[in-house]
Order: sequence, then structure tokens, then C-alpha cells
Amino acid sequence: GQQVMQIPQYQHVQEGEDFTTYCNSSTTLSNIQWYKQRPGGHPVFLIQLVKSGEVKKQKRLTFQFGEAKKNSSLHITATQTTDVGTYFCAERLSGNTPLVFGKGTRLSVIA
Amino acid sequence: NAGVTQTPKFRVLKTGQSMTLLCAQDMNHEYMYWYRQDPGMGLRLIHYSVGEGTTAKGEVPDGYNVSRLKKQNFLLGLESAAPSQTSVYFCASSSDRTYEQYFGPGTRLTVT
Repeated sequence: GQQVMQIPQYQHVQEGEDFTTYCNSSTTLSNIQWYKQRPGGHPVFLIQLVKSGEVKKQKRLTFQFGEAKKNSSLHITATQTTDVGTYFCAERLSGNTPLVFGKGTRLSVIA
Repeated sequence: NAGVTQTPKFRVLKTGQSMTLLCAQDMNHEYMYWYRQDPGMGLRLIHYSVGEGTTAKGEVPDGYNVSRLKKQNFLLGLESAAPSQTSVYFCASSSDRTYEQYFGPGTRLTVT
């Protein structure tokens, strides 16, 4: 079945350092989504990538979709304590299939 | 708009008891989902629905049943709870155009 590999599982950074999480799929994807879950909270949608090689930015967050549409990354520049949480990628093979979530990367930011 | 709401927020059950978790959305979304979240396991799909009156199995459906009698509601039932069903349960909904999912606040269930 479809598998979503997300690395690393945990990341501890000093405030101000950069952070990157990666998502790799065994199959070509229709699109990929990213979610953030704060401790004790629920997942919140961040962005969806659809096109091969697509790059999108949201303030300090940069999202990339690989050229072959099999991998994606989320990069945070100059982390802040408000970035603490777990970041999930979620993959979809085709338009009407359910999302498959990665296991997430838990980010801790040390002030 | 309330978005996606879930009831109850917390529940403790004894092994063998039954219960129903209710999810409601006011965004007129076609698709609704039930996930469970366990430490280190991410979000795993239990059941989902692509429209009123339809349901389908997800990755971990055993021990659960669902119903979608009304478009805005999606019910998750546990007929005979087991300790392995101790988890946090999230409901989500999405439109059939954008597919971004909106999650409810979750239900923390403990089965003793």
C-alpha cells in the first residue's frame, strides 16, 4: 500500500536556527498537503502543492514539491517559539482517494 | 461558523462498553473522515464518507462502525470497546473541490 516516509521524527533547535522536514513517497502523487498540530491541539491545514517543482512561501515557511512529484519539503527560516508543534505531510494519489498522513516531525524550539 | 465540532471531548469507558462519537460540520462539505492518533503513529484513517448515505473503510476500520445519515453529521461507533482503542479521535471534513481538511478539536477516549 501507499507509504509516506517523513523525516526526521524529532528535531530540537535553538530559536533562530532553521528547520527542515522531508516527506518521501514510493509513488507519484497527485498533490501533497502540509498540516501543523500544536501540542494538545488539532491539525491545521497549511498549504497544498499540486505542480511538479512547485515552491510556495508563507512568511518564514517555504514549501517545495519535487520535480518527480514523489517528495516534498517544508523549511522554516529563523525558527520562533511559536513554531513549536508537529508538522505532517499528507499525500494523495488521485483526486478522490483519501489522504495518507506521514507520522509527522515534532519540532521543539529552545529559547 | 463553528467549523467542525466533536462531542464528547473526553470519555472513559470500561472494556466491552459501547459509545458513539458525534462529528458535525457547518461548511456544507461533501467529505468527512474519522482518524485516530496514537503517540508516534501519526493520523490513521478509520472510515470516511464521500457523501450523505455513503461510507468507506480506511486504514484501521476494525472495531468501528460509522453512519452518515445527514450531510453535516458523521457518527463513529464503538460496539464493544477494547483497551487498544484508547486514543485521540479526530473528525475532519473537506470539500470535493479543494480537498483541504478541516479538523475538529478531538475526543480523548480511554478504555480501561
